[in-house]
Amino acid sequence: DTAVSQTPKYLVTQMGNDKSIKCEQNLGHDTMYWYKQDSKKFLKIMFSYNNKELIINETVPNRFSPKSPDKAHLNLHINSLELGDSAVYFCASSQPTGTNEQFFGPGTRLTVL
Amino acid sequence: AQSVTQLGSHVSVSEGALVLLRCNYSSSVPPYLFWYVQYPNQGLQLLLKYTSAATLVKGINGFEAEFKKSETSFHLTKPSAHMSDAAEYFCAVTKAGGYNKLIFGAGTRLAVHP
Repeated sequence: DTAVSQTPKYLVTQMGNDKSIKCEQNLGHDTMYWYKQDSKKFLKIMFSYNNKELIINETVPNRFSPKSPDKAHLNLHINSLELGDSAVYFCASSQPTGTNEQFFGPGTRLTVL
Repeated sequence: AQSVTQLGSHVSVSEGALVLLRCNYSSSVPPYLFWYVQYPNQGLQLLLKYTSAATLVKGINGFEAEFKKSETSFHLTKPSAHMSDAAEYFCAVTKAGGYNKLIFGAGTRLAVHP
């Protein structure tokens, strides 16, 4: 059983298109995150939701819109894709109590041409 | 504010040699610290974590790390490198409880040669 899953694993698209990445966790966690890993492997938080409520929004262009239909799902929609959006996007989940250990999905490699 | 510095973007060791990956952190509150490993084209897997209990933390695959508050360090070690340890390693810091993001270091690529 995959704890945190993402679809698709690879996404290749043209500039200007709109695309979505889906994330699901079956760990029963309340908190979910999106991280972006750039071409230099640097990882940075984008968003966090707790029980469907947005709690972290890190200076991300408003072309990026996360949506959490329930606490087990956190999707990322990106409008008007740009070359600089090419990256690997990781979803993660955790419980807000205790150690705050975050469990990561396998990543979605987005390539914008 | 919190931050993490990983000294050495690339580390190369021989199989069987000691692995030492350096991590220094900055935090205005007691930190929780993590080491994650990323194998090529895969996600991040937790190696070990420090959450204010024992300062010497043992993780998976024979790795361990020691929290040293006086040096603001959390270096990762393994006594004997294996070829399968070749990967990217990330140190991360967060705060206890709440809805806290992980702040990652820039990563260290470990190469293991025969």
